[in-house]
Amino acid sequence: AQSVSQHNHHVILSEAASLELGCNYSYGGTVNLFWYVQYPGQHLQLLLKYFSGDPLVKGIKGFEAEFIKSKFSFNLRKPSVQWSDTAEYFCAVRQGTYKYIFGTGTRLKVLA
Amino acid sequence: DAGVTQSPTHLIKTRGQQVTLRCSPKSGHDTVSWYQQALGQGPQFIFQYYEEEERQRGNFPDRFSGHQFPNYSSELNVNALLLGDSALYLCASSFYLQGENTEAFFGQGTRLTVV
Repeated sequence: AQSVSQHNHHVILSEAASLELGCNYSYGGTVNLFWYVQYPGQHLQLLLKYFSGDPLVKGIKGFEAEFIKSKFSFNLRKPSVQWSDTAEYFCAVRQGTYKYIFGTGTRLKVLA
Repeated sequence: DAGVTQSPTHLIKTRGQQVTLRCSPKSGHDTVSWYQQALGQGPQFIFQYYEEEERQRGNFPDRFSGHQFPNYSSELNVNALLLGDSALYLCASSFYLQGENTEAFFGQGTRLTVV
């Protein structure tokens, strides 16, 4: 069965620190990959997505992610985090055209 | 442009009862999916509806059923509630185009507590 692993469950950073959140998936076929963010009290919002093409994708709010097919990875990065980036981050793989398989999420806390 | 709206936002039910959750998709979207998010977990796919039919189903028992209406809105019904059904239930909508769904937009969810 397909699965998505997020290695870091809780991350605490100071403002201006760099961020990298790991995501690995298990699926050998064509994948659509996503990072969603959930700010406190808000709904899941799409940060960025990868369908095909350039493996380095840029999303909203300065986030980017790199798809490395050989490593089955889709890590999320941001060069300099802000206090407002405090949220829970979910990596997801879309299986076929239907369901998303989510990782367990990473709670990021940014200290001002 | 309204996003995905869900109702109610919170609900408390007793074991054995039945519950109905509602979802209105984002304007222009025709596909609705339901997810269950238990505490500390990522969302788990329940099922997806398109053209008023269940198109795919996750590993959930038959106690979980759904419906999609002609206006694309959807309901999730859960019968014979168990304590383990306590979770945040998320609705996601998308648009089906040329054999693929666009990315999903999520609602804020319904927090169901079973006591």
